[in-house]
Amino acid sequence: KNEVEQSPQNLTAQEGEFITINCSYSVGISALHWLQQHPGGGIVSLFMLSSGKKKHGRLIATINIQEKHSSLHITASHPRDSAVYICAVTSYMDSNYQLIWGAGTKLIIKP
Amino acid sequence: EPEVTQTPSHQVTQMGQEVILRCVPISNHLYFYWYRQILGQKVEFLVSFYNNEISEKSEIFDDQFSVERPDGSNFTLKIRSTKLEDSAMYFCASDGGQGPYGYTFGSGTRLTVV
Repeated sequence: KNEVEQSPQNLTAQEGEFITINCSYSVGISALHWLQQHPGGGIVSLFMLSSGKKKHGRLIATINIQEKHSSLHITASHPRDSAVYICAVTSYMDSNYQLIWGAGTKLIIKP
Repeated sequence: EPEVTQTPSHQVTQMGQEVILRCVPISNHLYFYWYRQILGQKVEFLVSFYNNEISEKSEIFDDQFSVERPDGSNFTLKIRSTKLEDSAMYFCASDGGQGPYGYTFGSGTRLTVV
């Protein structure tokens, strides 16, 4: 079983729709990260959170530590939001912090 | 905003050749990482580096790989005798604390082994 599971794997939506991407994890974490990977491959860190909720522009990330679950929401989605969104968790293992990656959610927003 | 810079952005090499991927982390960061992503697969951890030595490495990071911080600013990943299966996107990242304080990623080097 993967330690970080994302759903859905693929998501296609129309411009303007409200988007939700989910992430569940099974390990103890010190932080959870949402990252964006564009078609060119570069990775950009969107959020790092350890509790509650963060908002940046049209992006909102929430985390429920008790349920080991996080969601990334995009309001008023736009074609430029099309990318792979990756959930990753920082976990302390073997005397080191490690970043454990989800498989990513490929999001396509159609005009 | 400070950036992690990786060069080259794309490298094509013959199988069996050595390649060096270069990264300039954020100057006051202490922890450095290399990750790779084979096309269509999830990102995989290769190695972490702190205080001028490897602090953690994955099973992927075998004797074919090595890392160095030769001059206090660059952070390099060397792959000796490249194989076709080394073709991937390689990402460098740095962070300023012990993990939870946030990572900054480079834009990646796409390595193609032919």
